Amino acid sequence: GQSLEQPSEVTAVEGAIVQINCTYQTSGFYGLSWYQQHDGGAPTFLSYNALDGLEETGRFSSFLSRSDSYGYLLLQELQMKDSASYFCAVKDTDKLIFGTGTRLQVFP
Amino acid sequence: GAGVSQSPSNKVTEKGKDVELRCDPISGHTALYWYRQRLGQGLEFLIYFQGNSAPDKSGLPSDRFSAERTGESVSTLTIQRTQQEDSAVYLCASSPWTSSHEQFFGPGTRLTVL
Repeated sequence: GQSLEQPSEVTAVEGAIVQINCTYQTSGFYGLSWYQQHDGGAPTFLSYNALDGLEETGRFSSFLSRSDSYGYLLLQELQMKDSASYFCAVKDTDKLIFGTGTRLQVFP
Repeated sequence: GAGVSQSPSNKVTEKGKDVELRCDPISGHTALYWYRQRLGQGLEFLIYFQGNSAPDKSGLPSDRFSAERTGESVSTLTIQRTQQEDSAVYLCASSPWTSSHEQFFGPGTRLTVL
């Protein structure tokens, strides 16, 4: 079967750093993506890792270890607007398989 | 338009009725995807199109679900004889080609089956 596991919820305070983990088990793997979705909104793309290592985009970084079938999203200098759900997604040939999502709540 | 659009934004229907959901992808995007998202859940892949062909229909939950696409433009997702468990947000996404790693999502259609 295909599965992506994420923590269901994470809380943090403004200015802090938070890491959201994702472990996956899929029949195919062509890369790991992260999407952000605010309540009632559409998912928006954050980052993509095809190879092992760390990708940095501003306050957000994403890491992949293909040998461990594991990745994480690192959010630094948290802001209130970062409160949202975060989904990891595995690219399996031409489609995305999404995880169940992690709800991040940022407190002042 | 600048982004992916979907219509209607909300649809309330009675059990047993058929519904059609529409997606207008970003102009020039050859790949189009449909997902279902139940409340508080992740995105469930339904089907994708490369141009107007659908290489992967594996995610369609039952034969009540079907989708088509006209050229590299509009797509419609049809649900026949709707059931209460079909209630969800239906999201459409497009990308320049199927190998693209970024998908651009529309705002979704919230379907409620009474």
